[in-house]
Amino acid sequence: DAGVIQSPRHEVTEMGQEVTLRCKPISGHDYLFWYRQTMMRGLELLIYFNNNVPIDDSGMPEDRFSAKMPNASFSTLKIQPSEPRDSAVYFCASSGRDSISSYNEQFFGPGTRLTVL
Amino acid sequence: GQQVMQIPQYQHVQEGEDFTTYCNSSTTLSNIQWYKQRPGGHPVFLIQLVKSGEVKKQKRLTFQFGEAKKNSSLHITATQTTDVGTYFCAFPESKLTFGTGTRLQVTL
Repeated sequence: DAGVIQSPRHEVTEMGQEVTLRCKPISGHDYLFWYRQTMMRGLELLIYFNNNVPIDDSGMPEDRFSAKMPNASFSTLKIQPSEPRDSAVYFCASSGRDSISSYNEQFFGPGTRLTVL
Repeated sequence: GQQVMQIPQYQHVQEGEDFTTYCNSSTTLSNIQWYKQRPGGHPVFLIQLVKSGEVKKQKRLTFQFGEAKKNSSLHITATQTTDVGTYFCAFPESKLTFGTGTRLQVTL
């Protein structure tokens, strides 16, 4: 298996532009997670899906952020409009556990380094 | 929600020295996971601890879960330069929550 795939690996954009980050989880995994990592705030969970359904989006910073999972093999995280403070590394992770009572290990993708000028 | 402190935030050791990072929770945890993130890389799962007082070893790494399941530690014996990175504990609340991490620097 290729592992979790994210694209693009690097994105540089200007303030106000729309940014779309993409993720392909490991085949067969039921859970998909989006994280943001910055020096100041560490690793933050933004949203997670179970069987393509958003379960908890309480970590999404504001309405400028949205995430979708149209099918089991694809998810997007969109920022519109982007702002300089959104600059961070965004990770997607997937997990095969089908019960949230005891999490199985999460497999992280390589991340997308986003720079908003 | 639960508060989990991870200490120290940063440690710099010479190769061959030991290293320990601690995760302390204000409440009882059902289980705890440990991850390692190399510089410029992504977090990689190391281990999960579930039982009270559990101790697990992976080569030079020793993981412990406290008797009260409120704290955990990761100990590295005789560090090597390949141990460089940030070590995170992670625990399930309503979702998996990561600690603040301990950044380890190892020099020759």
